Amino acid sequence: EVQLLESGGGLVQPGGSLRLSCAASGFTFSTYAMSWVRQAPGKGLEWVSSISGSGVGTYYADSVKGRFTISRDNSKYTLLLQMNSLRAEDTATYYCAKKRNVGYYPPDHWGQGTLVTVSS
Amino acid sequence: DIQMTQSPSSLSASVGDRVTITCRASQGISNNLAWFQQKPGKAPKSLIYAASNLESGVPSKFSGSGSGTDFTLTISSLQPEDFATYYCQQYSTYPWTFGQGTTVDIK
Repeated sequence: EVQLLESGGGLVQPGGSLRLSCAASGFTFSTYAMSWVRQAPGKGLEWVSSISGSGVGTYYADSVKGRFTISRDNSKYTLLLQMNSLRAEDTATYYCAKKRNVGYYPPDHWGQGTLVTVSS
Repeated sequence: DIQMTQSPSSLSASVGDRVTITCRASQGISNNLAWFQQKPGKAPKSLIYAASNLESGVPSKFSGSGSGTDFTLTISSLQPEDFATYYCQQYSTYPWTFGQGTTVDIK
C-alpha cells in the first residue's frame, strides 16, 4: 500500500525558513516523480514543484522559484522541500504527491498534508 | 501558463441526481487531464487520469470525457459520500495548473 507522510510544518516568521519532508513507502520510490501541491486556507489547489525519479529534473511554480528547493533522497525514500524567504502568502497546507507513472501522468496518491503558517 | 476554468463553481443537487462538471483549458492539452475529489479537511483523492480513465478503486458512477480544450466529469447517481469539491488539473506541461474547483452540496 502506497503511503506518504509529510512532516516539518509549523509557524514561522516572514523571511524565515522551513524544511518539509515526505516519507514514502509501499512503492519503488526512485521510479516515480514526486510533487508538492499546496492549498491556502479556504482556497483551491496550487502546484508548487516537481522532481524526477532520479532527482535530476526539477520544476517550480513562478511564485516559489528562487526561494524553494525540491530534492529527494532515494536511499531513504524521502522527498524534501526547503522553503526560504517565506512570505505570508506561502501559508498553506502542503501535500506531497506521487506521480502515477513515467511520462505524462498526474498524481495518483497524496499525503495527508502538513500546515505551514507564515506570520509574525 | 495554461488556465483551467471549471463551471459551475458550485452546485446543489439531490441524492440520485446526475451531475456534470465542465473544465475548459485555455489551450489544447490533448487528454492530459485529471480529476480529483476533496472533502473538507482531507487530502485530495485521485479519480480520473487521461481524461477518461478511472483510478483503481473509483466506482463506475464517475466518468470523464473530452480532449483538447473541453472536458467533463459526470457522476451518474449522486450519493451522500459524493458531496465534496472537485478539481480538474492539466499535466500536459509545467506549470501544472488546477481549475478553481466545483463544490457539490446537498439541495
